[in-house]
Amino acid sequence: QVQLVQSGADMKEPGASVKVSCKASGYTFTSYGVSWMRQAPGQGLEWMGWMSPYNGNTVYAPKFQGRLTMTADASTDTAYLELRTLRSDDTAVYYCAKALTGRYQYDHWGQGTLVTVSS
Amino acid sequence: AIQMTQSPSSLSASVGDRITLSCRASQAIGNDLGWYQQRPGKAPILLIYDTSSLQSGVPSRFSGGGSGTDFTLTISSLQPEDFATYYCLQEHDYPPTFGQGTKVEIK
Repeated sequence: QVQLVQSGADMKEPGASVKVSCKASGYTFTSYGVSWMRQAPGQGLEWMGWMSPYNGNTVYAPKFQGRLTMTADASTDTAYLELRTLRSDDTAVYYCAKALTGRYQYDHWGQGTLVTVSS
Repeated sequence: AIQMTQSPSSLSASVGDRITLSCRASQAIGNDLGWYQQRPGKAPILLIYDTSSLQSGVPSRFSGGGSGTDFTLTISSLQPEDFATYYCLQEHDYPPTFGQGTKVEIK
C-alpha cells in the first residue's frame, strides 16, 4: 500500500534552516508529483509547493519564493523540503502528499512533521 | 490568488443527520475543486476531486456538487467517524488555495 513516512519533529532557532524528509513506498515514486503543505497550530492548511520527482521541476507558492527548496532522491524514493531563514510564524506541522496524476489534489499524505521555531 | 471561503465555520449535528457544507471561490474555478476531511491530530484525507468524483474507498454518503464559484459537500447520514474538520482546495489557478475549514461537531 502507498505510504509516505516523514522525519521526526524538529526545533530550530529563528534564522536557522530546517530540512524535512518524506520517504515514499508502495508506488512508482517518479510517476507522481509531490507537494508540501503546512498547518500552523489551530489553523488551516497552506499549500507550499509542488515538485516532480521525475525531472526535479518545482512550483513554489509566491510567499515562499527564495526561502523554500524542494528536492527528491529517486534512488531512495525520498522527497525533501528545506525552509530557510525561519521565523516564529513558521512553527507548524509540515505534510508531504502524493498528487493525483497531473493534478494539485492529493490522495496520500505523510503523517506530518512538527517544526517549532523558538529561541 | 483565488480566495476560498467556507461556510459555516462550524456546525453542530447529530448522528444520522444530513448536512451540507459550502465553499465559495472569489472567481470561477470550473470544477477544479477537491474536499478533504481532517480528524484531530491526523493528516487530511481526500474525499472528493473534480467537484463530484468520489475518491476510491470513500463511503458513498459523501457527495460533492456545484460549479463556477459555488460548491457543496453533502454527507447524507452523519456517522460518528465523520465528526471532523472539512477543507476545500481549488487547483484551477496558481497557487492552489484551501478554504479555512468547517468543523463538524456532535450536537
